[in-house]
Amino acid sequence: QKEVEQDPGPLSVPEGAIVSLNCTYSNSAFQYFMWYRQYSRKGPELLMYTYSSGNKEDGRFTAQVDKSSKYISLFIRDSQPSDSATYLCAMNRDDKIIFGKGTRLHILP
Amino acid sequence: DTAVSQTPKYLVTQMGNDKSIKCEQNLGHDTMYWYKQDSKKFLKIMFSYNNKELIINETVPNRFSPKSPDKAHLNLHINSLELGDSAVYFCASSPGTENEQFFGPGTRLTVL
Repeated sequence: QKEVEQDPGPLSVPEGAIVSLNCTYSNSAFQYFMWYRQYSRKGPELLMYTYSSGNKEDGRFTAQVDKSSKYISLFIRDSQPSDSATYLCAMNRDDKIIFGKGTRLHILP
Repeated sequence: DTAVSQTPKYLVTQMGNDKSIKCEQNLGHDTMYWYKQDSKKFLKIMFSYNNKELIINETVPNRFSPKSPDKAHLNLHINSLELGDSAVYFCASSPGTENEQFFGPGTRLTVL
């Protein structure tokens, strides 16, 4: 079993919809949980960063961590075509960040 | 004001050649990284340096040699390039080893 599992998609949703992106993990040692967004031919950029179970909100984005289920989510409200990108979950352990494979998201205008 | 910069942006070369990719960060961060992103977009760490010292060295062929002349720079030298080395290589930096990372724009390497 891979340490971090993420559905690669693609996921296509209409503009304005709520998007739910998810990752599962197997290692209880992960302490920090992140979501990165990567546009085509660009480097990943950090969207959200959290280290505790629960929800963290930033504008239209909400990151959710459930350590008991080893499950993290990113919700995007009122999705926009500019949100179309690849979203990578990432987790930190032993001074190293492990990335999920990324989910390709398409927001249809 | 580019925070993490890499040169070159594109690199096309023949098998067997030796090439270098340079990375510089102006964020004052202590830790720098090299990642490889393959054609399936999987991002995998290769090396990590903290204050010019190597702290992570994943199972990478020894044809790859990182060099950190100072805290703000981490270069990647690749000897005897192979077809399978074709990928996008990202440099990143972070304040410490447990913090979020900031990525450069990537270097797209194509080995012919």
